[in-house]
Formats: sequence, structure tokens, C-alpha cells
Amino acid sequence: TQLLEQSPQFLSIQEGENLTVYCNSSSVFSSLQWYRQEPGEGPVLLVTVVTGGEVKKLKRLTFQFGDARKDSSLHITAAQPGDTGLYLCAGDMAGNQGGKLIFGQGTELSVKP
Amino acid sequence: NAGVTQTPKFQVLKTGQSMTLQCAQDMNHEYMSWYRQDPGMGLRLIHYSVGAGITDQGEVPNGYNVSRSTTEDFPLRLLSAAPSQTSVYFCASRRDIEGTEAFFGQGTRLTVV
Repeated sequence: TQLLEQSPQFLSIQEGENLTVYCNSSSVFSSLQWYRQEPGEGPVLLVTVVTGGEVKKLKRLTFQFGDARKDSSLHITAAQPGDTGLYLCAGDMAGNQGGKLIFGQGTELSVKP
Repeated sequence: NAGVTQTPKFQVLKTGQSMTLQCAQDMNHEYMSWYRQDPGMGLRLIHYSVGAGITDQGEVPNGYNVSRSTTEDFPLRLLSAAPSQTSVYFCASRRDIEGTEAFFGQGTRLTVV
């Protein structure tokens, strides 16, 4: 059982469509991050959210941290083929488990022209 | 600007063999960690370290050992390789324990036959 449940695991859409990826847990996280990974490379950070309810925007990408700091979402507006890749959420465990950065299963996004 | 360097990039082992995956970072980061990535599983934390001389177990530690004698290096040892350890292994470093960006190496693709 994954501590961070990410959905959907696969998403294939047409250019111009909108999409949302969800990251859910029963645990509280002190912060949550979203990474993007290209084939053959390590993940690269997109954003960090720290405060419950926080919303951050990065061009066409909108990230939200849940009020209780247990969940997060990534929304992409008007997806483009260049958005294709693996998106991973990752949470910093709070309290006495500090130091653990736990990842979700990932969402494989394919945007077709 | 090397960042996080992993060696080797590819390795094939026979069942029962042992080996060490090397990881070095030149950013003076205190926090380092090892992950394995399998299809549909995202990244799973194997072991992590919050500083030289301090290590702790992650989600899937069995069959792996680590040590942290210097800030720069964090090797991962496979004691007796098994086919279930076939995976892509990533090393990561962070400046602080929580909320900071994790920088990843390029990965080691390990096959155990």
C-alpha cells in the first residue's frame, strides 16, 4: 500500500485539453512537492507547497495543497505535447519521521498533437 | 557543476553476487537518500541519511545496506542480489530535511539474472 496515492496512473489526452492529477494520503505532510521526470533522467522539481490551502501557479500548471495538508492536485490547462512525461508527487513526512520524502506512484501523461 | 553523480549507469549481476552503487554530491547537502523505481510504483525510499554518521530505513530497506562516513558520499550496498532487486536506482540530495528541492542523479539500471 502506497502512503501517497496518485491518480490516475495513466492519462492520454489531445492537445488543448485540460487535466487534473490527484495525490491523496491519510497522513499529514509538512510540505508537498511535484516533480516531472523524462525517460532516462532523474525527477526534476516543479513546485513546493507548504501551507494548507496554498495554491501556486507555474504558467499553465496550477498546484494546490489541501487544507489539512494530506492531499494535493496538479491541474494543467490547455495541455501541449511538450507536457508529456511522468509527474510525481512527493510528501515530506511530518513529526518524528522528518527526513523521509515519500513519492506517489506517478502519473504517465501523454499529450497527442 | 556536477550535482549528484551515480556510478555505474548500468550493471548486470548474477543472483547472490554483491555490489555497491556509488553516489556522490558536491553541493554540501546534509540530506541524502536512495530510491528504487519500478513500473507503476513511483519511487520507493530505501534508506536515507540526515547527515554524516546518521542513517535510517525507508519504505523498502531489506537486502540493502548504507553508510555515511562523509557529507559527500552515500553508497548503497546490495548484500546478496536477488532478481526482485532488478530496478532503476536513484540517489538524491537535499540542502535541508524538509521543504527543499531534491536533486537526483541520473540513475543506475540494475538487472539481476
